[in-house]
Amino acid sequence: GAGVSQTPSNKVTEKGKYVELRCDPISGHTALYWYRQSLGQGPEFLIYFQGTGAADDSGLPNDRFFAVRPEGSVSTLKIQRTERGDSAVYLCASSLSAANTEAFFGQGTRLTVV
Amino acid sequence: AQSVTQLGSHVSVSEGALVLLRCNYSSSVPPYLFWYVQYPNQGLQLLLKYTTGATLVKGINGFEAEFKKSETSFHLTKPSAHMSDAAEYFCAVKDNQGGKLIFGQGTELSVKP
Repeated sequence: GAGVSQTPSNKVTEKGKYVELRCDPISGHTALYWYRQSLGQGPEFLIYFQGTGAADDSGLPNDRFFAVRPEGSVSTLKIQRTERGDSAVYLCASSLSAANTEAFFGQGTRLTVV
Repeated sequence: AQSVTQLGSHVSVSEGALVLLRCNYSSSVPPYLFWYVQYPNQGLQLLLKYTTGATLVKGINGFEAEFKKSETSFHLTKPSAHMSDAAEYFCAVKDNQGGKLIFGQGTELSVKP
């Protein structure tokens, strides 16, 4: 596609529920990144993929968070047993490769846990 | 570990005035530095980047930034603010062990008529 696409744009869920957030990167981009942006803060790194494998998952806050990219294109961020503190905007970005300097961001998914 | 500090969470200028947004970084290796802009309810858009070469970098919408190694700074400037410049601005450094970006806390720019 023309840009990075994230769905849904907004998600409201109840505490304790499971959610999936989807990211469609720019076609041909091998590197894909997930960030979380809390209100009034800068984006914080969660995980990045080079191809199908997670090259760095050091930013995932705990084992409730998991991400996959099975075919090296679309990625899904999965959050189990959601907590109110998980409420944030989740941003996805992609670049031609990890070495390539420019990452393109999607518009984000705003997750609200009530 | 690399880090980014943006001085001033909120900056307000008059239309036509100089814009100066401050960014200092910490890095043990030559950094790759970026400025992104975020308009309300939108994703991040790259304004400009420094990788190697010329230390004065020009970006979109009339913005520029100067990499000063001695001061570990990468401040963003624009000679004359426009109302449409009102947004959140983020400075970032690229992690030297991978592709991730490390962001500052952001600076909200307001432009008064």
